[in-house]
Amino acid sequence: SQTIHQWPATLVQPVGSPLSLECTVEGTSNPNLYWYRQAAGRGLQLLFYSVGIGQISSEVPQNLSASRPQDRQFILSSKKLLLSDSGFYLCARQWNYGYTFGSGTRLTVV
Amino acid sequence: AQKITQTQPGMFVQEKEAVTLDCTYDTSDPSYGLFWYKQPSSGEMIFLIYQGSYDQQNATEGRYSLNFQKARKSANLVISASQLGDSAMYFCAMREGRSFQKLVFGTGTRLLVSP
Repeated sequence: SQTIHQWPATLVQPVGSPLSLECTVEGTSNPNLYWYRQAAGRGLQLLFYSVGIGQISSEVPQNLSASRPQDRQFILSSKKLLLSDSGFYLCARQWNYGYTFGSGTRLTVV
Repeated sequence: AQKITQTQPGMFVQEKEAVTLDCTYDTSDPSYGLFWYKQPSSGEMIFLIYQGSYDQQNATEGRYSLNFQKARKSANLVISASQLGDSAMYFCAMREGRSFQKLVFGTGTRLLVSP
């Protein structure tokens, strides 16, 4: 199984509050993991990717950070949320030639 | 430069008819993979079909087929016999590279299937 668990499913947070979104994956060890964000009505933008524990690469400068404390755990964080951080956040893993996505977290910053 | 281009923001099709969703891509890497995903209103990303750059034949998965024209750098999705449940956003994506592979998405096409 290459299942991905993401929580929470929805989140409403005030501007300036911290954020922590967690993604855990099942299946083969040492997967490549990704965080994507999708703004309303738009495509998916790659935010971060990780090839192993403690290894994080950022694709775009932003208010967010990512960490990978364990092989199958990928966390997306922010110290102070901005209105522009609102969106649908998806965690993904690569396996063979394909990619599996989690069910996503819909974040609204108010 | 845009890596994946989907020029159709929205498409309409009648139930039981076929529909083609367009996708063009841009890469100088000889090794790449092309994907189509379906995103219903729930938000989940559902994998539909995959085409590798070295695959000689067009990929097919049930009612989905990928019209791969390498020289034109196009990878159009064909859905045959559309069903009401096919109404969703459809994203074309490309994976580049051999060592580490990122998946880059197009902006999507919203398909509406009418009875």
